[in-house]
Amino acid sequence: EIVLTQSPGTLSLSPGERATLSCRASQSITSNYLAWYQQKPGQAPRLLIYGASSRATGIPDRFSGSGSGRDFTLTISRLEPEDFAVYYCQQYGLSTGTFGQGTKVEIK
Amino acid sequence: EVQLVESGGGLVQPGGSLRLSCAASGFTFSSYWMGWVRQAPGKGLEWVANIKQDGSEKYYVDSLKGRFSISRDNAKKSLYLRLNSLTAADTAVYYCARDTAQGFDIWGQGTMVIVSS
Repeated sequence: EIVLTQSPGTLSLSPGERATLSCRASQSITSNYLAWYQQKPGQAPRLLIYGASSRATGIPDRFSGSGSGRDFTLTISRLEPEDFAVYYCQQYGLSTGTFGQGTKVEIK
Repeated sequence: EVQLVESGGGLVQPGGSLRLSCAASGFTFSSYWMGWVRQAPGKGLEWVANIKQDGSEKYYVDSLKGRFSISRDNAKKSLYLRLNSLTAADTAVYYCARDTAQGFDIWGQGTMVIVSS
């Protein structure tokens, strides 16, 4: 099983600032099958990024993903009020998937 | 509209069983892998299981293998999760999701399972 470790646990930032979230895998992820999701309280997760760097349909271009192998990053270039939420990475390159523990982006 | 709607959650006693359902609409259900993800109160997401288009392949997280069973009925455009020998640790919101080469691209709203006496 691939273990995903996200950091930091909580990110305290102001609207307009840049957010950088990290996801590190215990082993290399096949074909960069790494996704990022956003979850707001009381809602289902929403797919943001797949294949490590491709934005899902309808996702604003302030969201970007990068990385390969074991290290991946989600960047939000300028935080909007609606971006304050919890973000999860997920690997789906194996027959079973795993999620990271999440990073909460909160208003400073 | 592409949509997934879960049902079947509720309060169940420890040791009990439950079957969750997920009704799909707006897309060709039989063409996609499908999966279940759960989230305990205040906790993160946990990948539970997935199933191939024709049901011939099924995968489970190791910790749940043997107690949970995933299945599907393509004619009814429905996904199922059978939960057996439930404990308090299984209390969670259970989401069904469409499992693609882009990850879980469509999610249901979730159904809550509470295991308590």
